[in-house]
Amino acid sequence: EAGVAQSPRYKIIEKRQSVAFWCNPISGHATLYWYQQILGQGPKLLIQFQNNGVVDDSQLPKDRFSAERLKGVDSTLKIQPAKLEDSAVYLCASSYRLAGGYNEQFFGPGTRLTVL
Amino acid sequence: DQQVKQNSPSLSVQEGRISILNCDYTNSMFDYFLWYKKYPAEGPTFLISISSIKDKNEDGRFTVFLNKSAKHLSLHIVPSQPGDSAVYFCAASNAGGTSYGKLTFGQGTILTVHP
Repeated sequence: EAGVAQSPRYKIIEKRQSVAFWCNPISGHATLYWYQQILGQGPKLLIQFQNNGVVDDSQLPKDRFSAERLKGVDSTLKIQPAKLEDSAVYLCASSYRLAGGYNEQFFGPGTRLTVL
Repeated sequence: DQQVKQNSPSLSVQEGRISILNCDYTNSMFDYFLWYKKYPAEGPTFLISISSIKDKNEDGRFTVFLNKSAKHLSLHIVPSQPGDSAVYFCAASNAGGTSYGKLTFGQGTILTVHP
């Protein structure tokens, strides 16, 4: 079974530029998550989708971050404009179960973003 | 507000010995707990979990203990192997509530197992 795919793996941009990350979850997984992991910290949930609807985006900085999950499969996360403090690893995860319940999530390898 | 805390940034043990990683939480609504392992340049991988109705769950060399009154859980690895060297994250969820299974992670503990 193929795992969660993410691209690109690495990205370096200047502050105030825009950037987009792509995620393809495990086939058949209804729920998709985007996390931000700053160096030395644990992953922090940015947004959670169930199929193509948002169930939690309470920690997404909506003035600069946006995400979509068209057709309930692939997802993109965008930052526009980027700030220095956005430097982090962006992790995508998916889970089979619908949102809620005992929820084991499967993570992709992440995209390491460096904002200069 | 750090609801899940791993107070030891790092742990070093000898191969064959026991590794004990600790995690504390503050939110009494958490009812499901997980441990994830992370190697460099890879995403976290699920290791073991425990529901709040249990106080122990075992899977091979890995055992998780939950002390609800102390709001504390620990992961025991016996015996430790060099391949266990990784970052270990504790995570908690209010699985039975309305948080849609959202996971809250601790800061992680770097485990190094020396041959």
